[in-house]
Amino acid sequence: GDSVTQMEGPVTLSEEAFLTINCTYTATGYPSLFWYVQYPGEGLQLLLKATKADDKGSNKGFEATYRKETTSFHLEKGSVQVSDSAVYFCALRGSSNTGKLIFGQGTTLQVKP
Amino acid sequence: NAGVTQTPKFQVLKTGQSMTLQCAQDMNHEYMSWYRQDPGMGLRLIHYSVGAGITDQGEVPNGYNVSRSTTEDFPLRLLSAAPSQTSVYFCASSSPSEGVTQYFGPGTRLLVL
Repeated sequence: GDSVTQMEGPVTLSEEAFLTINCTYTATGYPSLFWYVQYPGEGLQLLLKATKADDKGSNKGFEATYRKETTSFHLEKGSVQVSDSAVYFCALRGSSNTGKLIFGQGTTLQVKP
Repeated sequence: NAGVTQTPKFQVLKTGQSMTLQCAQDMNHEYMSWYRQDPGMGLRLIHYSVGAGITDQGEVPNGYNVSRSTTEDFPLRLLSAAPSQTSVYFCASSSPSEGVTQYFGPGTRLLVL
């Protein structure tokens, strides 16, 4: 079945450092890919998405490119801030479009000033 | 629009008790889902629905029951709570006519003693 694998955390960075969180997936057909963020004590917010190969999703300085050849959707940010400290989830929705999401295990990011 | 709302925010149960977690959305979305979030495991799908009167099981359905009598509401029932059901529960909704984005509620934190 479909699955998502994220790099294990926690990830600890200094402010203004470059961030990469790896995400790879297994799916049949043409899934849509997502990054969700969960700030401490809050629910999930959609950070960015991509619906087809080579699409680049971007938001708040974060980017991720849908790479079908490597089945990857790595999250990047050029310069992180303390306010980016959160848990980041990679997720996919299969091409059957029933609204179901498959999530990775989540990666905790801590940014230190 | 209130979006996706969940009640209660926090609940403590004793083993064997039953309860219903409420979820409602005011966006007229056809698809609704329940997930549970556990440390190191991301979010896992419990049950989902593609419309009123239609429900199906997700990855971890055991011990949970759902029904969907209206488009707006999708309650999750715990028939006989167990400590293994201690978790944070998220409800989500989406519509195929609005693309692939799912909207999440704020979550219900459940502790089973």
